[in-house]
Amino acid sequence: QQKVQQSPESLSVPEGGMASLNCTSSDRNFQYFWWYRQHSGEGPKALMSIFSDGDKKEGRFTAHLNKASLHVSLHIRDSQPSDSALYFCAASEQRISGSFNKLTFGAGTRLAVCP
Amino acid sequence: DAGVTQTPRHEVAEKGQTIILKCEPVSGHNDLFWYRQTKIQGLELLSYFRSKSLMEDGGAFKDRFKAEMLNSSFSTLKIQPTEPKDSAVYLCASRPGQERGFYEQYFGPGTRLTVL
Repeated sequence: QQKVQQSPESLSVPEGGMASLNCTSSDRNFQYFWWYRQHSGEGPKALMSIFSDGDKKEGRFTAHLNKASLHVSLHIRDSQPSDSALYFCAASEQRISGSFNKLTFGAGTRLAVCP
Repeated sequence: DAGVTQTPRHEVAEKGQTIILKCEPVSGHNDLFWYRQTKIQGLELLSYFRSKSLMEDGGAFKDRFKAEMLNSSFSTLKIQPTEPKDSAVYLCASRPGQERGFYEQYFGPGTRLTVL
């Protein structure tokens, strides 16, 4: 079983709509989460991190973390065709470097924003 | 600043060949990662270097995969001998890796390897 599970596998939303992506960890050691986005033909690029319970907003993107349930979500409002990409959730055990902050990635959610 | 550079972008190899993929991390970054990306397995960690020292060599990939960091600005991933199941996108990433804080990984564009 993958330690970081994402849903749905794929998602289609109309331009201007809201996209909601979900991620759950099965390992209680994973406390720190990242969202990465990968456009076709490119490497993944970090969108945002979230380490504390609650919401974190950056522009059109809002991440929400519930540490008790190890659930993190990403909401994209006013979705644009340029948001069409593969979105990865990644989790790490430790925040402070000095030990190895290995990222464990989920399988990804493919988002399509239709004009 | 230049991002992570990977060469070549595409590689086609015959089964049994040796191939070498190259990566130049972001200048000043101490951590370097190699990943393999496939549709079925997603992103799998192959190797991790901190300040040129190998910290993790990805267990299941030990046999035919060898990553090296010749200096702080250049790394190679050698696959020897290649097999068709090695067909994938190979991604290199770097990170500041300072002692305090937690920083994002910067990925290169990847090398798409096809083994016939």
